Amino acid sequence: AQSVTQLDSQVPVFEEAPVELRCNYSSSVSVYLFWYVQYPNQGLQLLLKYLSGSTLVKGINGFEAEFNKSQTSFHLRKPSVHISDTAEYFCAVSDNRDDKIIFGKGTRLHILP
Amino acid sequence: DAGVTQSPTHLIKTRGQQVTLRCSPKSGHDTVSWYQQALGQGPQFIFQYYEEEERQRGNFPDRFSGHQFPNYSSELNVNALLLGDSALYLCASSLRRGASGYTFGSGTRLTVV
Repeated sequence: AQSVTQLDSQVPVFEEAPVELRCNYSSSVSVYLFWYVQYPNQGLQLLLKYLSGSTLVKGINGFEAEFNKSQTSFHLRKPSVHISDTAEYFCAVSDNRDDKIIFGKGTRLHILP
Repeated sequence: DAGVTQSPTHLIKTRGQQVTLRCSPKSGHDTVSWYQQALGQGPQFIFQYYEEEERQRGNFPDRFSGHQFPNYSSELNVNALLLGDSALYLCASSLRRGASGYTFGSGTRLTVV
């Protein structure tokens, strides 16, 4: 069975500073990996996903993530955050049957002015 | 092109009552998956419907049941509501059960008092 660990429940960062949100997964088979964002009182929006190929994945809103199989990690990065990036970010995993997604507990990104 | 539509957006019920939540999938999608997101937690997989049958189920009691209609829309029913059922219920649609293609609705906020 797969599982996802998001190492930080909250990450404060100053506006225009870089940020990294950490995610580790466990699975006995090949995986697909995802990052979703949830703005207050809204549903989930896909930021990016890794299915195969290049381990560096670029997503929307300037975010990117790198799949590291040896470290079983899929950390999310952005070189310069904006106040509008304030949200909850969820890392998620699916096995290669691709029939359901398992989510982490989320990391709240708090942008400081 | 309409995305995933969930109704109602908010709902307040009393312990012991029953509730029905509804989801219309994105145009072209034929699979509906339901998730429960408790406050401060990541979404938890409830079940998935494809071809009008429950195809997978997460670790939820039989009080949680569902249905999928020929037009691919779906209902989530919860009987004998408990206070702990208070959560945001998210619906995700996809094509041919492919979780990597999930589109999420904005959710239904259920409060049990």
